[in-house]
Amino acid sequence: EPEVTQTPSHQVTQMGQEVILRCVPISNHLYFYWYRQILGQKVEFLVSFYNNEISEKSEIFDDQFSVERPDGSNFTLKIRSTKLEDSAMYFCASSVRDGPTEAFFGQGTRLTVV
Amino acid sequence: QQPVQSPQAVILREGEDAVINCSSSKALYSVHWYRQKHGEAPVFLMILLKGGEQKGHDKISASFNEKKQQSSLYLTASQLSYSGTYFCGTLGSGSARQLTFGSGTQLTVLP
Repeated sequence: EPEVTQTPSHQVTQMGQEVILRCVPISNHLYFYWYRQILGQKVEFLVSFYNNEISEKSEIFDDQFSVERPDGSNFTLKIRSTKLEDSAMYFCASSVRDGPTEAFFGQGTRLTVV
Repeated sequence: QQPVQSPQAVILREGEDAVINCSSSKALYSVHWYRQKHGEAPVFLMILLKGGEQKGHDKISASFNEKKQQSSLYLTASQLSYSGTYFCGTLGSGSARQLTFGSGTQLTVLP
C-alpha cells in the first residue's frame, strides 16, 4: 500500500539552528501539506503546496519557514532559525486533488528544540 | 477559525456507543473525520460533503447538517481498537481550502 514517508523520525536541534524535515509523498499525488502538532494538542495546518508553489499558508507559517520540492519526489520543510516553541510533531500529508478528499499522513517527525 | 469538538474525552466499555460532535461558526463545505492513535499519524475515516449527508463503514458512521454547520460521529458497539483521538477537520465554503482541525476528542474503550 502506498504511503507517505518522513525522515528523520526524530530530530533534536539547538535553538537558532536550521532544520530540514523531509517527506516523500505518494507518487501520483499532486497536493502536499505540512501540519504541526504540539504535544497533546490539535493538528494545525501550516502550508499547502501545488504545482511547485505554495497555495495556502497559515499564520504559523512565517518567514522562518519555507517549503521546497527539490526534485520529483521529495517535499521539504525548512525552519531557518528554530525556536523552543517550534518543538512539535510535524506531519507531511499528500492528496490526489485539492479540497474534500482524503489526505494521507506520514508518520511524522518529532522535532525537539533545546 | 477552528471547529469545536465535544466532548473532550470519553471513556466507555467495549460494546457501548459513543457520539462525538463537531460544530463550526462558519459555513462549511465538507467535514473530514480522522482518528489518531498515540504516537501515530492521523488516519482518515470519512468525508461528508452534502447537507444532511450520512456515511458509515463498519460500525462507525457520521452525519453532516450543513444548515446547522454541525457534524456528529457515531461509534456503535465500540471495540478496543476504536481507542484514540478523533479529530474533525472542516473545509470552508469560501476561497480558503485549508483543512482546519478541531482540538480532538480522546476516546478510551475499556475491556
